[in-house]
This record gives sequence, C-alpha cells and structure tokens, in this order.
Amino acid sequence: DQQVKQNSPSLSVQEGRISILNCDYTNSMFDYFLWYKKYPAEGPTFLISISSIKDKNEDGRFTVFLNKSAKHLSLHIVPSQPGDSAVYFCAAADQTGANNLFFGTGTRLTVIP
Amino acid sequence: KAGVTQTPRYLIKTRGQQVTLSCSPISGHRSVSWYQQTPGQGLQFLFEYFSETQRNKGNFPGRFSGRQFSNSRSEMNVSTLELGDSALYLCASSLEGTDYYGYTFGSGTRLTVV
Repeated sequence: DQQVKQNSPSLSVQEGRISILNCDYTNSMFDYFLWYKKYPAEGPTFLISISSIKDKNEDGRFTVFLNKSAKHLSLHIVPSQPGDSAVYFCAAADQTGANNLFFGTGTRLTVIP
Repeated sequence: KAGVTQTPRYLIKTRGQQVTLSCSPISGHRSVSWYQQTPGQGLQFLFEYFSETQRNKGNFPGRFSGRQFSNSRSEMNVSTLELGDSALYLCASSLEGTDYYGYTFGSGTRLTVV
C-alpha cells in the first residue's frame, strides 16, 4: 500500500524553464514532507522540506508547495539546470514519531541543455 | 567530515544463502535506518536503530534482521535469500532519528540474488 505516490516516472524540461514535480499522499497523519535528490550510484541527498503548518517553503531555486486539503505537494525548480538531472523522491513522516520516512517511487528529471 | 559508508558496494548471492551488509554512520550520529529500494516501489523502510536498540520496524518478513553496535555501526542480515530480495539497500544516519532533514544516506549496497 503506497502511501506516498509520484505518478510521473519521468519528466523532461528545457534548461532555463520551470520543472514541476508532483507528489500525492493518502495518510492524513503525515505532518512533515521532504524532497530528496538522487544521482546514479549515490545515496539520496536532502533537498528541501516543509512542515504541515506551512504551505510554501523556498530555498534558492527550489520551492515546495503543500496543499493539505488535496494531500498534494509539489517541487518547483526555477530555472532548471542540466545539473538538476536526477531522480527526485518525495517523502513523508507522520505524527507518531515512528522514526521512519515513507517514500514515493521517484521521478526522473532530465534537463535538456 | 566522512559520510555514511556502506560495504560492500555490490554483492551477488545465490537463492537460499544469507548475507550481511554493513553501515558505518557519520561520527556522532546515533540513529541508523535501513531502506530497500526496488524499481517501482521506491524506498521501503526496513528498520531503525538508536543506541543499539531497534526502535521501529517496517513490514518485512523475519528473514530481515539487523543490529547496532556500541560505536553506532549497524549491520543488516537477510537469511534464506529469495530472488525478490534483489535490490539496492540504503542506510541513513542521523543524530536522533527524528531529524529527517538531517538524514545522510550512504551510496548503498546493490544485492543481486541469482
């Protein structure tokens, strides 16, 4: 039972344009969300996060939006750069403090120069 | 500072065998979590250890086990390997386990079961 879903396995974007990666979740107990970036042969690295008390968090070119009523979050990358080409995972943590993250299946972003 | 080190990087085993994977966390990190990554399933939580105690376990069969040593290094063991256990196994270390933004992942161990 996949509680965090990324329905787009892949996305291609021209360099300089906006990349929008989407993520949906089903568990209303999730209260903290993160995006990770993964290059081949490396582990995921933390990119940006958002708490459920916010609806937006920005860090440089990266912005995460959270719509709690729709149980949906998105990651915007503006402008997209070739070095952003990677697999992006969204992840969620719940209020029980169970010390584990629930991950989506990932979206492979390709930024075309 | 040194990152999270996982050994070995690659492993090929035969069905029915057992395997032990190792994870050395960042110095000072007391929490180590293990995840299995397979195509189409994303990362699935296996278990988390903190100060040598398993605090949480995911929905995996008892063939998957782990432990943590006093220096915070962790091992996971898979017994009676099945073809479906072929995956990338990732560990992540953090200070407390609940500081998710502070998770640092290793590069993983790629296990192939033939």
